[in-house]
Amino acid sequence: NAGVTQTPKFQVLKTGQSMTLQCAQDMNHEYMSWYRQDPGMGLRLIHYSVGAGITDQGEVPNGYNVSRSTTEDFPLRLLSAAPSQTSVYFCASSYLTGRDEQYFGPGTRLTVT
Amino acid sequence: SQKIEQNSEALNIQEGKTATLTCNYTNYSPAYLQWYRQDPGRGPVFLLLIRENEKEKRKERLKVTFDTTLKQSLFHITASQPADSATYLCALVPSYSSASKIIFGSGTRLSIRP
Repeated sequence: NAGVTQTPKFQVLKTGQSMTLQCAQDMNHEYMSWYRQDPGMGLRLIHYSVGAGITDQGEVPNGYNVSRSTTEDFPLRLLSAAPSQTSVYFCASSYLTGRDEQYFGPGTRLTVT
Repeated sequence: SQKIEQNSEALNIQEGKTATLTCNYTNYSPAYLQWYRQDPGRGPVFLLLIRENEKEKRKERLKVTFDTTLKQSLFHITASQPADSATYLCALVPSYSSASKIIFGSGTRLSIRP
């Protein structure tokens, strides 16, 4: 099993550009989520999904969109990048709910100039 | 307001000693508390989960306690080794939610010197 994979590992965007961060898991987990991690702020939940076709907002959803068309994939879209979105982004999955242990991907380091 | 706090200052421990990390929370009623380890440049890795009705959980050299009266969890690493050096995150699952939203602390960096 590859676990949770994320692409790309690094990305530099100009303000106003859009892009999609990819996340996939091969563990047949129902729950998937996106976090951003900033120095001194900890992990903050952006969006999450409890199954294919179901998504909901987390703590900091503004500027991001998600969709979940399959169990395996949970892409995160930045609609119009802003410098405030410079961060490290982690995708995570767990078996059924947020109560279960979370499996994290390796992260994407995004810089918006 | 709701807060989850971990010691933001790095903890430096001599090899072989017990490292104790603290996670305090206010205005939450957590159903679960989880601990993760994060190495530089990598995603967090799950270590232990403790439920509100459990006082203590152990796994090899790791021990977690959960005091809902003090609103505090302690994470202990006994016989610490340099390989234990990492950032350790605590995470709450509030009991009032649908259990779909975990709240993470900002982590404590632990350094074990030989």
